[in-house]
Amino acid sequence: SYELTQPPSVSVSPGQTASISCSGDKLENKYVCWYQQKPGQSPVLVIYQDSKRLSGIPERFSGSNSGNTATLTIRGTQAMDEADYYCQAWGSSTVVFGGGTKLTVV
Amino acid sequence: QVQLQESGPGLVKPSETLSLICSVSGGSISGSTYHWGWIRQPPGKGLEWIGSIYYSGSTYYNPSLKSRVTISVDTSKNQFSLKLSSVTAADTAIYYCARTYCSTTSCSEIDYWGQGTLVTVSS
Repeated sequence: SYELTQPPSVSVSPGQTASISCSGDKLENKYVCWYQQKPGQSPVLVIYQDSKRLSGIPERFSGSNSGNTATLTIRGTQAMDEADYYCQAWGSSTVVFGGGTKLTVV
Repeated sequence: QVQLQESGPGLVKPSETLSLICSVSGGSISGSTYHWGWIRQPPGKGLEWIGSIYYSGSTYYNPSLKSRVTISVDTSKNQFSLKLSSVTAADTAIYYCARTYCSTTSCSEIDYWGQGTLVTVSS
C-alpha cells in the first residue's frame, strides 16, 4: 500500500519560515494536499492540488511537489500557525494520510 | 455552504458493531464530483482514512479495515453511514465524516469535514 512520511515535529521562531516535508514514492505524479488541525478541532484544508490555496487561507501558506517530496512552506510564521499538519494524497483508489507533523512556534 | 454532521452512539461494547450516520446539508449528496467518506483519529494520534462512497453506491475501503467496514448511502435522506463490526478498544477514536473532491479519473482533497464524534469502545 502507498505510504506518506512526515517528520514528527518541526520548530520555528516567530516570523521565520517553516517547511514541512511529505515523502512518498513518485509523489510528483499525485496531487498532494495539506490540512491544519488545532487541538479539539476538525482538520482544515490549507493547500490542495499541490500548491493551490483555499479561499481565506493566508498567503504565507504555500505548497510544492517535486520528485518524491511535497513541501508545505509557511513564510513569516505566526503563533496562530502552531498546529498539527497532515499531508494527503490519493493512491490506488484510497486516501492516504501522512503521519502528521507538530509545528511548534517558539 | 456544505455542512456535515455525525450522529450515533458514543459508547460501543467490544465485539459489537459501531454505527454512525452523516447528515449532509447545503448540498446534494448526489453530486457527480464528490465521494463521501469516513476518517478516524484515535486520541492523541494521526488521521486514518476508513473509506468512502460515491452516490451511485460504489465503495472504496482502507485495505486494513475492509473486512470489517460497510459504508452505505441514502440519497433520499442526503445521508451516508458507517458500520464497523467486531470492534475492540483499538477502534476508540474521533470519527469524522467528510467530502472528497473527485474528477473523472481520481480524487484529491477533502474539502469539508464534520465536527467529529468520539466513539469509545468499552464494556
